[in-house]
Amino acid sequence: NAGVTQTPKFQVLKTGQSMTLQCAQDMNHEYMSWYRQDPGMGLRLIHYSVGAGITDQGEVPNGYNVSRSTTEDFPLRLLSAAPSQTSVYFCASSLRQGETYEQYFGPGTRLTVT
Amino acid sequence: LAKTTQPISMDSYEGQEVNITCSHNNIATNDYITWYQQFPSQGPRFIIQGYKTKVTNEVASLFIPADRKSSTLSLPRVSLSDTAVYYCLFNYSSASKIIFGSGTRLSIRP
Repeated sequence: NAGVTQTPKFQVLKTGQSMTLQCAQDMNHEYMSWYRQDPGMGLRLIHYSVGAGITDQGEVPNGYNVSRSTTEDFPLRLLSAAPSQTSVYFCASSLRQGETYEQYFGPGTRLTVT
Repeated sequence: LAKTTQPISMDSYEGQEVNITCSHNNIATNDYITWYQQFPSQGPRFIIQGYKTKVTNEVASLFIPADRKSSTLSLPRVSLSDTAVYYCLFNYSSASKIIFGSGTRLSIRP
């Protein structure tokens, strides 16, 4: 198993550009989520999904869209990049949503918006 | 939403036991307490999870008192490779929104 994979590893955008961060998992996990981590800070939840076709907002959803058309993939779209979105983005998955399910994190995408 | 309080940073030396305490005053009856570890430039990694009393695995122990308003992660005989940020989480059972706090930055010295 590759686990949770994210592409790209690094990305530089200009203000106003859009792009999609890719996330895929091969563990047949129902629950997937996106976090952002600003320098020296903890992780903040952006969006999450409890299964294909179902998504919901986390703590900081503004400026981001998600969709979940398959169990494996959970892309994160930046609609119009802003410098405030400069951060490291982590995708995570777990077998199911809930108490005893360990989350597996991808390696992260480091995004810089100029 | 669930909120935890942890020390911002801790220092220790190789071979010592390190205890990191997390306060979670408004934990619900069904909530589990979970700890994650994050190395620089990596995503967090699950360490241990518990509901009450004591849980031990090959990496750490987790102590939870009867009132469950706090928990203590214990790392036995730390090494330099244990230098990382450690996060305490709960509200896991209702888990629509799993919240990471700021974590504890642990530095281990030779």
